[in-house]
Amino acid sequence: GNSVTQMEGPVTLSEEAFLTINCTYTATGYPSLFWYVQYPGEGLQLLLKATKADDKGSNKGFEATYRKETTSFHLEKGSVQVSDSAVYFCALSTGNQFYFGTGTSLTVIP
Amino acid sequence: EAQVTQNPRYLITVTGKKLTVTCSQNMNHEYMSWYRQDPGLGLRQIYYSMNVEVTDKGDVPEGYKVSRKEKRNFPLILESPSPNQTSLYFCASRRDKSYEQYFGPGTRLTVT
Repeated sequence: GNSVTQMEGPVTLSEEAFLTINCTYTATGYPSLFWYVQYPGEGLQLLLKATKADDKGSNKGFEATYRKETTSFHLEKGSVQVSDSAVYFCALSTGNQFYFGTGTSLTVIP
Repeated sequence: EAQVTQNPRYLITVTGKKLTVTCSQNMNHEYMSWYRQDPGLGLRQIYYSMNVEVTDKGDVPEGYKVSRKEKRNFPLILESPSPNQTSLYFCASRRDKSYEQYFGPGTRLTVT
């Protein structure tokens, strides 16, 4: 079956620290991969996506590369800010259905 | 403004009392979905719809019904709610299967 496994949280970092949130997946076929972000009290917003192997998605300083050989899509940012504090979800889509990871809570302290 | 709206945002009800959570999108999207979010489980897809009158089950459809009579609306129906359906529910829409999803603000449901 299809599934997404992402790094357990919560993660607490100091401002300007480097961020990595690990995500691996299991899927049949060739899924599209996504990172979504959820701020307190809000719905999910798309952060970035990649639709095929070796694609790199990027947005707002965040990056993730679709690695078919390791079935991974790790999220990285070189220098986090307090405003990046949120819950991050890795997800895959096989077309009709979406599968989400459990979410990783990030808190950035000044 | 392009958006997905849900109503109500908060609902407390009792076991067995039928309820409907409405979802509407103004982007003329083909695909719509319902998810529930639970601590430690992430988001799980309940039902999805590919177009008017076309719906299918997601991972956790038991105890839920949906309908898609109009393109913009996709209500979630709980015929006989139970406490294990206490959760945060999100509606989402997308243009087609290749595009990103847009999420509503969520409906927090408590069933006592």
